[in-house]
Amino acid sequence: DGGITQSPKYLFRKEGQNVTLSCEQNLNHDAMYWYRQDPGQGLRLIYYSQIVNDFQKGDIAEGYSVSREKKESFPLTVTSAQKNPTAFYLCASRKESTDTQYFGPGTRLTVL
Amino acid sequence: EDQVTQSPEALRLQEGESSSLNCSYTVSGLRGLFWYRQDPGKGPEFLFTLYSAGEEKEKERLKATLTKKESFLHITAPKPEDSATYLCAVQAGGGSNYKLTFGKGTLLTVNP
Repeated sequence: DGGITQSPKYLFRKEGQNVTLSCEQNLNHDAMYWYRQDPGQGLRLIYYSQIVNDFQKGDIAEGYSVSREKKESFPLTVTSAQKNPTAFYLCASRKESTDTQYFGPGTRLTVL
Repeated sequence: EDQVTQSPEALRLQEGESSSLNCSYTVSGLRGLFWYRQDPGKGPEFLFTLYSAGEEKEKERLKATLTKKESFLHITAPKPEDSATYLCAVQAGGGSNYKLTFGKGTLLTVNP
């Protein structure tokens, strides 16, 4: 089955640590996205990548970094510079013919 | 700036009681309007894409419609398994990032 996988499902981090969230897709989509979801707020765009080896900042990129070395993979690193990292993180990829974004199951990050 | 407002924030229905969810939007040239369903602790599941005013799409008990200022998600004879948060998002035309702007969602509860 084609789809998007994210790992881990739950992640706990101590203050001052960097952590990396994994996102893999086998849908053969060029574009991939990272969103953050907080209670009572809409999804907010962190970073996106339209093609391998290229990525752009979204609306709330401060304290985050990404890489796009392979079409299938778009990992997100939450750095110690992110002031309030506890949230639900969602990865998506876009089907070019319909512009529809399909989401992974999410990673819940908690800072202890 | 693109904006999406969903109403009501929460809706409680009895099984079989039909109703509608509203998504009002302002966007600089609509490229597409998207509806998603999200269950607790999971990633959004794609439901519909609407591209132009007057367009309608149906799937089981759900029907989405679009005007130049808003979209409605009509739920006919809902069942308890329709309980979820329903998200609306818009994509502006122009540019190349295909960014989605999300509303905060409507939490639907269907009681048996």
